[in-house]
Amino acid sequence: GAVVSQHPSWVICKSGTSVKIECRSLDFQATTMFWYRQFPKQSLMLMATSNEGSKATYEQGVEKDKFLINHASLTLSTLTVTSAHPEDSSFYICSARKFGAFYNEQFFGPGTRLTVL
Amino acid sequence: AQKVTQAQTEISVVEKEDVTLDCVYETRDTTYYLFWYKQPPSGELVFLIRRNSFDEQNEISGRYSWNFQKSTSSFNFTITASQVVDSAVYFCALSEGGSGAGSYQLTFGKGTKLSVIP
Repeated sequence: GAVVSQHPSWVICKSGTSVKIECRSLDFQATTMFWYRQFPKQSLMLMATSNEGSKATYEQGVEKDKFLINHASLTLSTLTVTSAHPEDSSFYICSARKFGAFYNEQFFGPGTRLTVL
Repeated sequence: AQKVTQAQTEISVVEKEDVTLDCVYETRDTTYYLFWYKQPPSGELVFLIRRNSFDEQNEISGRYSWNFQKSTSSFNFTITASQVVDSAVYFCALSEGGSGAGSYQLTFGKGTKLSVIP
């Protein structure tokens, strides 16, 4: 159990367009989901924490108007990169915390590779 | 504030050698959790182990073993008899306990790239 999916797995878009990435917990309910960004050969950096039914909490330096996060249900969170630019090209990874989990464990999605031309 | 340091950026070993990946952490909490993840070239993170701050027992799982020492704030990872399939980037991560706003957030180290040469 505890599978997290992301869609799409990769996307190429033109500069100025918006891209939506979906993160789903397939076999459990996730009250909290996390979005990370990973640039090549670097570590995962937390972008925001999203709780179902409430506004996301963004980390310092992350533009909330550019990276729109919606956590509309206990199994789905979406990240929309608005007016994407080449510097937004990165590997975006989501994770989900299982509702009622005792341990601080997050289940990670397979990631979405975004390339902005 | 929490911090994870993986001082080794890249390590290369010859197949069948043993290798230890270092992880040093900083936290003010008395309750916290430590993790190791493997990230192969495909990019997907693979969970390897979780340890809570009250359990200092070392753990062995096949060729993998972990040494948790609170006295030195370290959580090192050893691969015995390394194999080519072990080639990946390995991340150590820390999550503080409690119920504060920062709870459950993972702070990752910068990762160590392990290359196992046949």
